[in-house]
Amino acid sequence: SQELEQSPQSLIVQEGKNLTINCTSSKTLYGLYWYKQKYGEGLIFLMMLQKGGEEKSHEKITAKLDEKKQQSSLHITASQPSHAGTYLCGADYTGGFKTIFGAGTRLFVKA
Amino acid sequence: GAVVSQHPSRVICKSGTSVKIECRSLDFQATTMFWYRQFPKQSLMLMATSNEGSKATYEQGVEKDKFLINHASLTLSTLTVTSAHPEDSSFYICSALQGASEQYFGPGTRLTVT
Repeated sequence: SQELEQSPQSLIVQEGKNLTINCTSSKTLYGLYWYKQKYGEGLIFLMMLQKGGEEKSHEKITAKLDEKKQQSSLHITASQPSHAGTYLCGADYTGGFKTIFGAGTRLFVKA
Repeated sequence: GAVVSQHPSRVICKSGTSVKIECRSLDFQATTMFWYRQFPKQSLMLMATSNEGSKATYEQGVEKDKFLINHASLTLSTLTVTSAHPEDSSFYICSALQGASEQYFGPGTRLTVT
């Protein structure tokens, strides 16, 4: 979606390294979701951010929403092979949970 | 946590036939469900919003006569791909809203049209 841009498209990191994935919206978000997906499978909910400046953590994954509620970053600390997969950000612009997804970031973690 | 199931998980059909995909909320009632499709190595694209007891709302570019959606009960929405063609081959994922605060995704259905 042109409304929502996610970067990078793919990422290869060495196990133990930190990484960041970005999601930028062209307009103000009501809410921003982060999901993880393994190929051919459903989505695993990671976290939802709604308030400007909000930051949440789930195990070694931290996500922030900027004050203007137009950009979010997902940060993984000390990456592990289990972190490999595709990370999707999803935007809710209306509060009705109708979600527009970013293109996804494919993460590969080298052991 | 809440569970959403999809059936079948995989289906292969011949070109020209129709195929029905079910999305069920197993332990909660969902007045609203969403249908997405995902092409290989691409993101999810919202197809339509399914509302119990009323007509579905389709996103721009999605043919409503091609993708029939029926949300006949608070726990079941069905997506029927009519007169399927190879270009309809895709991964179809549904999600269900629990109340006004939680969205749960199904595991997806892989459709292959030969």
